[in-house]
Amino acid sequence: DIQMTQSPSTLSASVGDRITITCRASQSVSTWLAWYQQKPGKAPKLLIYRSSSLESGVPSRFSGSGTGTDFTLTVTRLQPEDFATYYCQQYETYPWTFGQGTTVEV
Amino acid sequence: DVQLVESGGGLVSPGGSLRLSCAVSGFTFKDYGMSWIRQAPGKGLEWVAVIFGGGDEMHYADSVRGRFTISRDDFKDTLSLEMTSLTTADTAVYYCAKTPGRGLFDYWGQGTLVAVSS
Repeated sequence: DIQMTQSPSTLSASVGDRITITCRASQSVSTWLAWYQQKPGKAPKLLIYRSSSLESGVPSRFSGSGTGTDFTLTVTRLQPEDFATYYCQQYETYPWTFGQGTTVEV
Repeated sequence: DVQLVESGGGLVSPGGSLRLSCAVSGFTFKDYGMSWIRQAPGKGLEWVAVIFGGGDEMHYADSVRGRFTISRDDFKDTLSLEMTSLTTADTAVYYCAKTPGRGLFDYWGQGTLVAVSS
């Protein structure tokens, strides 16, 4: 199985900050990488697919990059509604696997 | 609007069985793959199974293969997950999700809790 490792596990930030979350795959996933946002008690929401494509309706302050094994999710000008947990997910190979999550907190 | 509504969760004893359902609306169900993803309490996300349009192709996570069966009814726009030989490790919120292509989950249900306990 492809292991997905996110860093950091927890990130302290303030409104207006620029934050970056890293996701590393144990083997190449090309650009078959997605990012999801999850708020407490809610289902995850797709933000980014194919490493850097923004899902419809997602604010442009979210961006993704990377290929192969190293990926990043960047949020510029953090907003109050952005405090949440973020997961990366590879869909290059079965089983599709998620990172352990990064919680962005105040 | 796209809606996915799970049902069927509950408390079950170890070794027991349970069937989850996911009723969908707002898109042409038969044209899309559908997945189940679970989340143990306080933990991360784990993909469980996928079934593609037509119902001929399914894939499972190793942790559930041979115990869980994913199926779909394209006439009733319903996705199902038959779960047998349940263990405490299967305790989780189970989400159904629309899978528009290779491995993406673009719409999710609200989740249904499965608790396996004696």
